[in-house]
Amino acid sequence: DGGITQSPKYLFRKEGQNVTLSCEQNLNHDAMYWYRQDPGQGLRLIYYSQIVNDFQKGDIAEGYSVSREKKESFPLTVTSAQKNPTAFYLCASSISTGRWTGELFFGEGSRLTVL
Amino acid sequence: AQKITQTQPGMFVQEKEAVTLDCTYDTSDQSYGLFWYKQPSSGEMIFLIYQGSYDEQNATEGRYSLNFQKARKSANLVISASQLGDSAMYFCAMREGSGGSNYKLTFGKGTLLTVNP
Repeated sequence: DGGITQSPKYLFRKEGQNVTLSCEQNLNHDAMYWYRQDPGQGLRLIYYSQIVNDFQKGDIAEGYSVSREKKESFPLTVTSAQKNPTAFYLCASSISTGRWTGELFFGEGSRLTVL
Repeated sequence: AQKITQTQPGMFVQEKEAVTLDCTYDTSDQSYGLFWYKQPSSGEMIFLIYQGSYDEQNATEGRYSLNFQKARKSANLVISASQLGDSAMYFCAMREGSGGSNYKLTFGKGTLLTVNP
């Protein structure tokens, strides 16, 4: 079945450590996204990528980095520079051609806790 | 200014009754799209319904309908015949522009719906 796979589902990290969240999709979608969700804040866009080897900062990119070396993969690294990394992270993808509405397809999320 | 405003942090409804979740938006674009997503406690985001700015009729999907009032810039979600499984967080979102580089969705802060038996 086609979908988006995020791993790990739960992750604990000590302060000062970098951590990478994986996101893989087999929907053949061009665009991929990372959102962060905090209680009472809704979803906020971290980074997005429309094509391979290209990505743009979202509203809260500071302290995060991404890469898009393959169409299927869009990993997110939470660096030690991110001051409040504890959050729920959602990866999403969308088509970008044809009858496109902008609908996002989401993974199940990764919950990061900094100890 | 917030682009998507959901003024109801929490809502309660009796099973089998209808409920309206409010959403107002702010954009200067003529072409845009509005979405509603459901997020159960498991965390997954489930797409419910979409309304394009040029769509003349309100969108409907089963028990979900979108009450689109363009002049008032509102896109309220109506859930008819509520079920216990409808208890979840609901997010309104907007895509500005009509494609090309406009791939982003902006989300509201959500409304937590609780369906009582």
